[in-house]
Amino acid sequence: EVQLVESGGGLVQPGRSLRLSCAASGFTFDDYAMHWVRQAPGKGLEWVSGISWNSGSIGYADSVKGRFTISRDNAKNSLYLQMNSLRAEDTALYYCAKATGPRLLDAFDIWGQGTMVTVSS
Amino acid sequence: QSALTQPASVSGSPGQSITISCTGTSSDVGGYNYVSWYQQHPGKAPKLMIYDVSNRPSGVSNRFSGSKSGNTASLTISGLQAEDEADYYCSSYTSSSLVVFGGGTKLTVL
Repeated sequence: EVQLVESGGGLVQPGRSLRLSCAASGFTFDDYAMHWVRQAPGKGLEWVSGISWNSGSIGYADSVKGRFTISRDNAKNSLYLQMNSLRAEDTALYYCAKATGPRLLDAFDIWGQGTMVTVSS
Repeated sequence: QSALTQPASVSGSPGQSITISCTGTSSDVGGYNYVSWYQQHPGKAPKLMIYDVSNRPSGVSNRFSGSKSGNTASLTISGLQAEDEADYYCSSYTSSSLVVFGGGTKLTVL
């Protein structure tokens, strides 16, 4: 079964850091691009960051550029999101999503259930 | 990096057809055939319904179809069913090698 399981969310104070992980199973992880998408409570989807199959192409939303870093470990079938200098507006459910192909422009066909990040003092 | 524009809500009766629009610019929707549509039921993860403007993933009903004209993409649902009631989001690849979503449309089946 194709599956994505996010972890690492929680309550964190503004200005602190958090690292999210996404464990993939049921498919050949290094064949596909991967993404992080977030959804603030009661709001719409917002793309956060994406990484191509070999980490050769990486993109970030303007709202997180310079603060968040995406990475992947193909040997461990895992995707990561290092989040620094967190702000209240980063509070959201963070989804890990698998692309339909190796490139950033490919659509997202498999989604995890998300991990909640709450930034508050 | 502006969000794509979608109507906040649409509605239709069972059996009818509805269309949800998604308007961008020549730097995203109009410039690439990489528009996708996602369905999200309350409390659930999004589900891919259409990719590359008009392609349906395996398992998605053929009642769902996608198209594009200029800077506007559209999702059409025919033979509306109660289970189609959900939020729908479009997304597009952009010239900055990024991805942008629409604000979402709430579909109500009357």
